[in-house]
Amino acid sequence: ETGVTQTPRHLVMGMTNKKSLKCEQHLGHNAMYWYKQSAKKPLELMFVYNFKEQTENNSVPSRFSPECPNSSHLFLHLHTLQPEDSALYLCASSQGAGGSNEQFFGPGTRLTVL
Amino acid sequence: RKEVEQDPGPFNVPEGATVAFNCTYSNSASQSFFWYRQDCRKEPKLLMSVYSSGNEDGRFTAQLNRASQYISLLIRDSKLSDSATYLCVVYFGNEKLTFGTGTRLTIIP
Repeated sequence: ETGVTQTPRHLVMGMTNKKSLKCEQHLGHNAMYWYKQSAKKPLELMFVYNFKEQTENNSVPSRFSPECPNSSHLFLHLHTLQPEDSALYLCASSQGAGGSNEQFFGPGTRLTVL
Repeated sequence: RKEVEQDPGPFNVPEGATVAFNCTYSNSASQSFFWYRQDCRKEPKLLMSVYSSGNEDGRFTAQLNRASQYISLLIRDSKLSDSATYLCVVYFGNEKLTFGTGTRLTIIP
């Protein structure tokens, strides 16, 4: 049990659908992250939130829209996705946003875009 | 050149053997280094941080060579449970960790 939960665990959606991924951390951390993991590629950082403020947007297309209502919850709103967006989306949290802080990952949402 | 580069493997190693992986990084100003482990269909988890003086945790030894810009992970007396993908992770700054593609290890009975 990592203390970071994600829902749903699996999602299949069409290109015209709108869906949201949810992440919740129970560790009292201040920083939360969204990563994308595709086959045979390294984890790609998408967004960083530190104390609810977005501090990093790693050139992510606008069809991905993050939301961080408080330091325990993080959402990723999906709209008009492409088949190449199919991947494992991982949420993580850490005590602070600096690199010396261990990141704890959730189990991920396996997304398939048809 | 990739920011963080690893041999993807797979490494197929008999149980009880010693195995070592290297990882190279491109930015000489890199500040922190880590090895994460990711089991099949699971999330990554921190295995160990890598310190300048080298560090050991049981059967695992991590080393950093700043001059040649690489880090290494050595696993001694490998167990079946060591089968996983090992991710090299480097902190360059700006709150961002950069991950390698991972090295896949399978321990064979």
